[in-house]
Amino acid sequence: AQSVTQPDIHITVSEGASLELRCNYSYGATPYLFWYVQSPGQGLQLLLKYFSGDTLVQGIKGFEAEFKRSQSSFNLRKPSVHWSDAAEYFCAVGAYTPLVFGKGTRLSVIA
Amino acid sequence: DVKVTQSSRYLVKRTGEKVFLECVQDMDHENMFWYRQDPGLGLRLIYFSYDVKMKEKGDIPEGYSVSREKKERFSLILESASTNQTSMYLCASSFGGGITYNEQFFGPGTRLTVL
Repeated sequence: AQSVTQPDIHITVSEGASLELRCNYSYGATPYLFWYVQSPGQGLQLLLKYFSGDTLVQGIKGFEAEFKRSQSSFNLRKPSVHWSDAAEYFCAVGAYTPLVFGKGTRLSVIA
Repeated sequence: DVKVTQSSRYLVKRTGEKVFLECVQDMDHENMFWYRQDPGLGLRLIYFSYDVKMKEKGDIPEGYSVSREKKERFSLILESASTNQTSMYLCASSFGGGITYNEQFFGPGTRLTVL
């Protein structure tokens, strides 16, 4: 069965610093991969997705993610974090079944 | 833009009450989903539907049922609410009929408290 692991429950970064959120998935073939963001009290918004092709994917709000098949990873990155990026981030994987979501990583941004 | 709306942002009910959570999407999506979100547990799939009058159990269907009489509307029903069903409920939709692993669009959520 497919599964998603987000090893970091909570990360704190300084405004302007770089960010990397980790995501590891378990699935035999190449799945569809997603990153979503949830601001407090809101639903989830899609940041980016990977289906096939170029393994470096650009998303909204300056985010990017890199698919690494050998490591079963799909880590999310941003070169310079803004205070408005404070939110919860979810990685999701889908392949012939409904999406499976990780448990999320909460990002705090300090001045 | 795809819009997924949920009937209430906040809801307070008493133990034993029958509770209806409504979800409507305006993009003619075939697939619709209900999740519950709890701290530390992430999103867990309750039920999904890939067509009108079709429904499939997700990972945690116990204590819930669903109804999909029209393509745009997917209702989650708690037959007899219990305190352990206090949670945030998220509805989502996606295109693709039986292809349920496409990008999902989410509603704002309903925070349900059962007293």
